[in-house]
Amino acid sequence: GENVEQHPSTLSVQEGDSAVIKCTYSDSASNYFPWYKQELGKRPQLIIDIRSNVGEKKDQRIAVTLNKTAKHFSLHITETQPEDSAVYFCAASIGGSYIPTFGRGTSLIVHP
Amino acid sequence: DVKVTQSSRYLVKRTGEKVFLECVQDMDHENMFWYRQDPGLGLRLIYFSYDVKMKEKGDIPEGYSVSREKKERFSLILESTSTNQTSMYLCASGGTQRQFGPGTRLTVT
Repeated sequence: GENVEQHPSTLSVQEGDSAVIKCTYSDSASNYFPWYKQELGKRPQLIIDIRSNVGEKKDQRIAVTLNKTAKHFSLHITETQPEDSAVYFCAASIGGSYIPTFGRGTSLIVHP
Repeated sequence: DVKVTQSSRYLVKRTGEKVFLECVQDMDHENMFWYRQDPGLGLRLIYFSYDVKMKEKGDIPEGYSVSREKKERFSLILESTSTNQTSMYLCASGGTQRQFGPGTRLTVT
């Protein structure tokens, strides 16, 4: 089955800096890659997703890039703010199943 | 506008007890899921269901079963709890726009 590796497990940045979280996947058939944000004590929420026919997608301060050849994708957050502090999960799924395999999560801490 | 609800936020059970965790969604989704979340291990899929009375094993189904008698409800059953089932259990529904429930923190002593 699919295997998703996520790095780093913890990321600490100063407010205003950029943050990058990287994920790799094993199954070349995966074609849908969502990212979830989970604030402390709350449920995971979808923040952005990308499909394999697109190399990059942006939504305000967040962007996701996908390299199908290398089988890795990344989340980029610019101008970080304290409210960006959360655990971020990447995921990958195959075809139309939308049964994503999740990475282990990255705890992002943004220091004011 | 809560869309996915779970029957309990916190549960404490003794080893060997039976536990029902219920999930209800009001979005008419066909797909529903049960995940287990443990620190450092991410979200692991226990079971999922594509339709009423249908169920599929996820990555870690051992020790669990599920029931989906109505489209809006998906129940996770722990027939005989063990301490290694102490965890956060998250229900979810939907396809790409997946909605998660608030979670149930189960402690087995």
